[in-house]
Amino acid sequence: NAGVTQTPKFQVLKTGQSMTLQCAQDMNHEYMSWYRQDPGMGLRLIHYSVGAGITDQGEVPNGYNVSRSTTEDFPLRLLSAAPSQTSVYFCATRTGGGGGFGEKLFFGSGTQLSVL
Amino acid sequence: KQEVTQIPAALSVPEGENLVLNCSFTDSAIYNLQWFRQDPGKGLTSLLLIQSSQREQTSGRLNASLDKSSGRSTLYIAASQPGDSATYLCAVRPIEGGSEKLVFGKGTKLTVNP
Repeated sequence: NAGVTQTPKFQVLKTGQSMTLQCAQDMNHEYMSWYRQDPGMGLRLIHYSVGAGITDQGEVPNGYNVSRSTTEDFPLRLLSAAPSQTSVYFCATRTGGGGGFGEKLFFGSGTQLSVL
Repeated sequence: KQEVTQIPAALSVPEGENLVLNCSFTDSAIYNLQWFRQDPGKGLTSLLLIQSSQREQTSGRLNASLDKSSGRSTLYIAASQPGDSATYLCAVRPIEGGSEKLVFGKGTKLTVNP
Protein backbone atom coordinates (compact mmCIF):
# COMPACT_ATOMS: atom_id res chain seq x y z
CA ASN A 1 0.00 0.00 0.00
CA ALA A 2 1.94 3.00 -1.28
CA GLY A 3 -0.64 5.63 -0.23
CA VAL A 4 -0.13 8.88 -2.16
CA THR A 5 2.78 8.98 -4.61
CA GLN A 6 4.05 12.22 -6.10
CA THR A 7 6.57 12.53 -8.91
CA PRO A 8 8.99 14.11 -9.46
CA LYS A 9 10.42 15.03 -6.04
CA PHE A 10 12.43 17.93 -7.46
CA GLN A 11 12.11 19.96 -10.65
CA VAL A 12 13.77 23.05 -12.08
CA LEU A 13 12.03 24.88 -14.90
CA LYS A 14 12.73 27.95 -16.96
CA THR A 15 10.12 30.67 -17.18
CA GLY A 16 7.54 29.80 -19.82
CA GLN A 17 8.10 26.06 -19.77
CA SER A 18 5.23 23.71 -19.08
CA MET A 19 5.18 20.54 -17.02
CA THR A 20 2.92 18.10 -15.20
CA LEU A 21 3.22 17.10 -11.57
CA GLN A 22 1.97 13.58 -11.08
CA CYS A 23 -0.12 12.30 -8.17
CA ALA A 24 -1.32 8.72 -7.79
CA GLN A 25 -3.18 7.04 -4.94
CA ASP A 26 -4.02 3.41 -4.25
CA MET A 27 -6.58 3.92 -1.49
CA ASN A 28 -9.64 4.39 -3.73
CA HIS A 29 -10.43 7.79 -2.19
CA GLU A 30 -12.85 10.01 -4.06
CA TYR A 31 -11.51 13.31 -2.76
CA MET A 32 -8.14 14.54 -4.02
CA SER A 33 -6.56 17.97 -3.86
CA TRP A 34 -3.42 19.95 -4.66
CA TYR A 35 -1.84 22.43 -2.24
CA ARG A 36 1.18 24.68 -2.45
CA GLN A 37 3.34 25.57 0.52
CA ASP A 38 5.38 28.76 0.51
CA PRO A 39 7.76 30.03 3.21
CA GLY A 40 5.96 32.07 5.83
CA MET A 41 2.53 31.06 4.56
CA GLY A 42 0.14 28.26 5.32
CA LEU A 43 -0.71 25.63 2.73
CA ARG A 44 -3.09 26.96 0.10
CA LEU A 45 -5.52 24.93 -2.01
CA ILE A 46 -4.96 25.08 -5.78
CA HIS A 47 -7.52 22.66 -7.24
CA TYR A 48 -9.51 19.73 -5.98
CA SER A 49 -11.61 16.82 -7.22
CA VAL A 50 -14.54 15.04 -5.58
CA GLY A 51 -14.43 12.11 -7.99
CA ALA A 52 -13.44 11.01 -11.47
CA GLY A 53 -14.50 13.61 -14.02
CA ILE A 54 -15.23 16.31 -11.39
CA THR A 55 -12.78 19.08 -10.57
CA ASP A 56 -13.05 22.57 -9.12
CA GLN A 57 -10.90 25.55 -8.28
CA GLY A 58 -9.43 26.24 -4.91
CA GLU A 59 -7.96 29.40 -3.46
CA VAL A 60 -5.06 29.94 -5.91
CA PRO A 61 -5.93 28.24 -9.23
CA ASN A 62 -4.45 30.71 -11.73
CA GLY A 63 -1.71 29.23 -13.91
CA TYR A 64 -2.66 25.63 -13.13
CA ASN A 65 -4.89 23.03 -14.78
CA VAL A 66 -6.12 19.69 -13.50
CA SER A 67 -8.09 16.73 -14.79
CA ARG A 68 -9.37 13.55 -13.16
CA SER A 69 -9.95 10.78 -15.66
CA THR A 70 -9.50 7.97 -13.11
CA THR A 71 -9.96 7.61 -9.35
CA GLU A 72 -6.25 6.89 -8.96
CA ASP A 73 -4.62 9.83 -10.75
CA PHE A 74 -4.85 13.60 -10.33
CA PRO A 75 -2.14 15.41 -12.34
CA LEU A 76 -1.42 19.12 -11.92
CA ARG A 77 -0.34 20.99 -15.06
CA LEU A 78 1.64 24.21 -15.12
CA LEU A 79 0.82 25.82 -18.44
CA SER A 80 3.56 28.47 -18.62
CA ALA A 81 5.76 28.43 -15.54
CA ALA A 82 6.48 31.70 -13.74
CA PRO A 83 8.94 32.45 -10.88
CA SER A 84 5.90 33.05 -8.63
CA GLN A 85 5.11 29.34 -8.96
CA THR A 86 8.32 28.38 -7.18
CA SER A 87 6.97 26.39 -4.25
CA VAL A 88 6.55 22.98 -2.69
CA TYR A 89 3.48 21.21 -4.04
CA PHE A 90 1.54 18.61 -2.10
CA CYS A 91 -1.13 16.24 -3.31
CA ALA A 92 -3.61 14.91 -0.78
CA THR A 93 -6.49 12.49 -0.61
CA ARG A 94 -9.09 12.19 2.07
CA THR A 95 -11.70 9.85 3.43
CA GLY A 96 -15.16 10.96 4.42
CA GLY A 97 -17.94 12.72 2.56
CA GLY A 98 -19.08 16.29 2.15
CA GLY A 99 -18.40 18.59 5.07
CA GLY A 100 -15.42 16.58 6.12
CA PHE A 101 -17.20 14.56 8.82
CA GLY A 102 -14.87 11.90 10.14
CA GLU A 103 -12.35 12.72 7.47
CA LYS A 104 -8.68 11.81 7.43
CA LEU A 105 -6.21 13.34 5.02
CA PHE A 106 -3.24 11.58 3.46
CA PHE A 107 -0.48 13.65 1.89
CA GLY A 108 2.19 12.81 -0.63
CA SER A 109 5.80 13.68 0.15
CA GLY A 110 5.77 16.73 -2.08
CA THR A 111 7.40 18.13 -5.22
CA GLN A 112 9.88 20.97 -4.79
CA LEU A 113 9.61 23.18 -7.88
CA SER A 114 11.96 26.02 -8.81
CA VAL A 115 11.16 28.31 -11.73
CA LEU A 116 14.11 30.39 -12.92
CA LYS B 1 -12.26 35.62 5.69
CA GLN B 2 -11.11 32.77 7.88
CA GLU B 3 -7.60 33.15 9.25
CA VAL B 4 -5.64 30.68 11.37
CA THR B 5 -2.81 31.79 13.63
CA GLN B 6 -0.34 29.59 15.49
CA ILE B 7 1.74 30.84 18.36
CA PRO B 8 4.62 30.46 18.98
CA ALA B 9 6.27 30.08 15.58
CA ALA B 10 9.04 28.04 17.18
CA LEU B 11 9.50 26.27 20.49
CA SER B 12 12.48 24.49 22.02
CA VAL B 13 12.04 22.29 25.10
CA PRO B 14 14.06 19.67 26.99
CA GLU B 15 13.09 16.03 26.68
CA GLY B 16 10.38 14.92 29.08
CA GLU B 17 8.63 18.26 29.32
CA ASN B 18 4.89 18.60 28.80
CA LEU B 19 4.04 21.32 26.30
CA VAL B 20 1.13 23.13 24.68
CA LEU B 21 0.87 24.43 21.14
CA ASN B 22 -1.74 27.07 20.39
CA CYS B 23 -4.00 27.68 17.41
CA SER B 24 -6.59 30.40 16.97
CA PHE B 25 -9.10 31.01 14.19
CA THR B 26 -11.25 34.01 13.35
CA ASP B 27 -14.56 32.45 12.25
CA SER B 28 -16.30 29.84 14.40
CA ALA B 29 -18.35 28.51 11.44
CA ILE B 30 -16.26 25.40 10.92
CA TYR B 31 -16.92 21.72 10.29
CA ASN B 32 -13.79 20.59 12.08
CA LEU B 33 -10.29 21.47 13.24
CA GLN B 34 -7.31 19.27 12.51
CA TRP B 35 -3.73 18.99 13.73
CA PHE B 36 -0.96 17.73 11.46
CA ARG B 37 2.71 16.98 11.83
CA GLN B 38 5.26 17.80 9.11
CA ASP B 39 8.79 16.44 9.13
CA PRO B 40 11.47 18.19 7.02
CA GLY B 41 11.21 17.30 3.35
CA LYS B 42 8.08 15.25 3.88
CA GLY B 43 4.35 15.58 3.58
CA LEU B 44 1.89 16.16 6.36
CA THR B 45 0.72 13.42 8.70
CA SER B 46 -2.72 13.71 10.24
CA LEU B 47 -2.62 13.61 14.06
CA LEU B 48 -6.05 14.50 15.40
CA LEU B 49 -9.39 15.73 14.10
CA ILE B 50 -11.98 17.45 16.29
CA GLN B 51 -15.48 17.82 14.91
CA SER B 52 -17.14 21.18 15.62
CA SER B 53 -19.49 19.54 18.12
CA GLN B 54 -16.63 17.97 20.11
CA ARG B 55 -14.43 19.49 22.81
CA GLU B 56 -11.36 17.28 22.64
CA GLN B 57 -9.66 14.28 21.10
CA THR B 58 -6.84 12.13 22.40
CA SER B 59 -4.31 9.88 20.75
CA GLY B 60 -1.54 8.43 22.87
CA ARG B 61 0.49 11.29 24.36
CA LEU B 62 -1.41 13.86 22.30
CA ASN B 63 -4.54 15.68 23.41
CA ALA B 64 -6.25 18.35 21.32
CA SER B 65 -8.97 20.64 22.61
CA LEU B 66 -11.40 22.91 20.79
CA ASP B 67 -13.22 25.97 22.10
CA LYS B 68 -15.21 27.04 19.09
CA SER B 69 -16.83 30.03 20.73
CA SER B 70 -13.49 31.63 21.53
CA GLY B 71 -11.85 30.44 18.30
CA ARG B 72 -9.08 28.50 20.02
CA SER B 73 -7.52 25.07 19.99
CA THR B 74 -4.58 23.62 21.87
CA LEU B 75 -2.42 20.59 21.22
CA TYR B 76 -1.00 19.14 24.40
CA ILE B 77 2.02 16.85 24.11
CA ALA B 78 2.87 14.87 27.23
CA ALA B 79 6.37 13.71 28.13
CA SER B 80 7.95 15.07 24.99
CA GLN B 81 10.62 13.04 23.15
CA PRO B 82 13.26 14.01 20.56
CA GLY B 83 11.18 12.11 17.98
CA ASP B 84 8.42 14.67 18.50
CA SER B 85 10.62 17.32 16.84
CA ALA B 86 8.72 18.52 13.77
CA THR B 87 6.51 21.34 12.58
CA TYR B 88 2.93 21.12 13.84
CA LEU B 89 0.18 22.60 11.69
CA CYS B 90 -3.38 23.44 12.62
CA ALA B 91 -6.15 23.68 10.01
CA VAL B 92 -9.88 24.39 10.01
CA ARG B 93 -12.49 23.38 7.47
CA PRO B 94 -14.84 26.37 6.99
CA ILE B 95 -18.55 25.85 6.46
CA GLU B 96 -18.90 28.81 4.10
CA GLY B 97 -18.52 28.22 0.39
CA GLY B 98 -18.99 24.46 0.60
CA SER B 99 -15.59 23.94 -0.97
CA GLU B 100 -12.85 21.51 -0.13
CA LYS B 101 -10.71 24.27 1.28
CA LEU B 102 -8.79 23.74 4.48
CA VAL B 103 -7.36 26.90 6.00
CA PHE B 104 -3.95 26.24 7.49
CA GLY B 105 -1.88 28.10 10.02
CA LYS B 106 1.81 28.70 9.39
CA GLY B 107 2.82 26.11 11.95
CA THR B 108 4.87 25.83 15.12
CA LYS B 109 8.35 24.35 14.74
CA LEU B 110 9.03 22.18 17.79
CA THR B 111 12.49 21.05 18.84
CA VAL B 112 12.81 18.57 21.71
CA ASN B 113 16.38 18.45 23.01
CA PRO B 114 17.81 15.20 24.48
